[in-house]
Amino acid sequence: DVKVTQSSRYLVKRTGEKVFLECVQDMDHENMFWYRQDPGLGLRLIYFSYDVKMKEKGDIPEGYSVSREKKERFSLILESASTNQTSMYLCASSPGTSGATEAFFGQGTRLTVV
Amino acid sequence: AQRVTQPEKLLSVFKGAPVELKCNYSYSGSPELFWYVQYSRQRLQLLLRHISRESIKGFTADLNKGETSFHLKKPFAQEEDSAMYYCALSSHNTDKLIFGTGTRLQVFP
Repeated sequence: DVKVTQSSRYLVKRTGEKVFLECVQDMDHENMFWYRQDPGLGLRLIYFSYDVKMKEKGDIPEGYSVSREKKERFSLILESASTNQTSMYLCASSPGTSGATEAFFGQGTRLTVV
Repeated sequence: AQRVTQPEKLLSVFKGAPVELKCNYSYSGSPELFWYVQYSRQRLQLLLRHISRESIKGFTADLNKGETSFHLKKPFAQEEDSAMYYCALSSHNTDKLIFGTGTRLQVFP
């Protein structure tokens, strides 16, 4: 079974803090994704990585950065957390082939910025 | 640019009624389309993909390139189908996966 594990289920952080969300996958997938999920807005892609140290901006990268130093790990960084970054964050991974492959999701991290 | 539109936020039906969840997309290249589902308190998971042309849990979806649509259909809804459904798009050229805003399906007994 593919497993995508996010390090925390719930996080509460203060405005201005630097926040790290970690994601690990165990299936040697090339692709990894970070999304935020908000009611009425669906899943919006923050960043996408198609290989180690390779990344591509998604639709809403402002206020976020990412790091992929190892194939299995993809970190999302909030440089200075703000209240409008309160959300559910989902990590996913998929094999790197033709684009028609299944993405596997983590359980999500619910981040609250106060 | 890739874009996925799901016009309905909520769809409510009674058990046994037909269901159609709408999805339209815009993409200039050759798209790969998917439906993902999230049941209460569970992870988002793949329901079906157009390339497989399969029926999963009684659901089917046909890619209509002329209308740029990939609507999800089921002839007889069940209560256990109640969930959040997301249409998603990728392509042959990139594995970047873009989602729509989702439709919540409620099936009443």
